[in-house]
Amino acid sequence: QKEVEQNSGPLSVPEGAIASLNCTYSDRGSQSFFWYRQYSGKSPELIMFIYSNGDKEDGRFTAQLNKASQYVSLLIRDSQPSDSATYLCAVNGDTGNQFYFGTGTSLTVIP
Amino acid sequence: EAGVAQSPRYKIIEKRQSVAFWCNPISGHATLYWYQQILGQGPKLLIQFQNNGVVDDSQLPKDRFSAERLKGVDSTLKIQPAKLEDSAVYLCASSLVHGATYEQYFGPGTRLTVT
Repeated sequence: QKEVEQNSGPLSVPEGAIASLNCTYSDRGSQSFFWYRQYSGKSPELIMFIYSNGDKEDGRFTAQLNKASQYVSLLIRDSQPSDSATYLCAVNGDTGNQFYFGTGTSLTVIP
Repeated sequence: EAGVAQSPRYKIIEKRQSVAFWCNPISGHATLYWYQQILGQGPKLLIQFQNNGVVDDSQLPKDRFSAERLKGVDSTLKIQPAKLEDSAVYLCASSLVHGATYEQYFGPGTRLTVT
């Protein structure tokens, strides 16, 4: 079983600040890493994925991957109240199309 | 492009009753997943299909849960008999390879309450 660890939070940041969400994983064979956003009462929504070491930017979101440290993070710049949600980290398995999820980090952006 | 469809959205049953959930994946997605998500936890994979075949059902409680995917498209997940601890959201997802990785998309889920 692949282990994916996230700090459950809650994480609170003021509006306009940078929110930093972290995730570690146990399987060095994992190739791709995913961030999902889940609003209360809704299903997870894919917001970003990354598979190369370094940074990947998409609008206000930046995913960072360090395979040597088995660490992936998500930065949200200029945080908005609408970013308040639970953020799930997922990694893929050996076949590429199996996904293992962390328990999620709850983020609250305070206006 | 239509997303993953699920029904029903909500279901309340008594323990020991049976229940079935339906899922229609995104068109062209060969891989279909059923997850169980208990409040405050991440999704837990119950079963994964590749076309008609089962890829992984290692965490499916086979004494009470069953799933099928006929013709490699729609899928149903059944619980019989239900227990109180089955109260959860049941998520269906499908995936497709995109470049160097697979992308997985979720349906709206079915919230099951067992009383």
